[in-house]
Amino acid sequence: DTGVSQNPRHKITKRGQNVTFRCDPISEHNRLYWYRQTLGQGPEFLTYFQNEAQLEKSRLLSDRFSAERPKGSFSTLEIQRTEQGDSAMYLCASSSKVTSSTDTQYFGPGTRLTVL
Amino acid sequence: KQEVTQIPAALSVPEGENLVLNCSFTDSAIYNLQWFRQDPGKGLTSLLLIQSSQREQTSGRLNASLDKSSGRSTLYIAASQPGDSATYLCAVSGAGNMLTFGGGTRLMVKP
Repeated sequence: DTGVSQNPRHKITKRGQNVTFRCDPISEHNRLYWYRQTLGQGPEFLTYFQNEAQLEKSRLLSDRFSAERPKGSFSTLEIQRTEQGDSAMYLCASSSKVTSSTDTQYFGPGTRLTVL
Repeated sequence: KQEVTQIPAALSVPEGENLVLNCSFTDSAIYNLQWFRQDPGKGLTSLLLIQSSQREQTSGRLNASLDKSSGRSTLYIAASQPGDSATYLCAVSGAGNMLTFGGGTRLMVKP
């Protein structure tokens, strides 16, 4: 068990470009979450998957954002036509009610996005 | 809509002091409450999780309490060390186990 991994760790892009981030959860975890954190603030929930099904999306997730979790394993978060306001740390977490009664969320190191 | 507030926003203490971080939430219908630690530019490390039916949890020098009815939690750190310097985040879990976070307390422990 190597924990939750995220790639890339850093991404710098120009406004208007598309970016895609990847999250690999802990292998036996069936739940996967995406959060966004801006400087000096706590993380904010974006979306949640149970296996391959996307069960909840925050109003923060505009139509420029899309997340997928094919086959219930890794997940991708794509941002189209990036804006400077998208600059933030994007955090992924995973959990499992099956293997842990507490359903603790374990977080990855995050992907820091800078939009110029 | 759940709102989580953490006080103070920043705290600086000399090494060895015992300290208390506060967290309050507006909706008492929570499944659990977690305290996390975040080092600059890094992800979150879970410190303690308290189920809604529990009153407190302890791990080493850390003790977290939960008063669900009043919407409050405290994180007590005993005998603080410079290595405890970090941002401490409180988060409550609602339906779907989605976490709502407070803004964090930035702790600096001076040698």
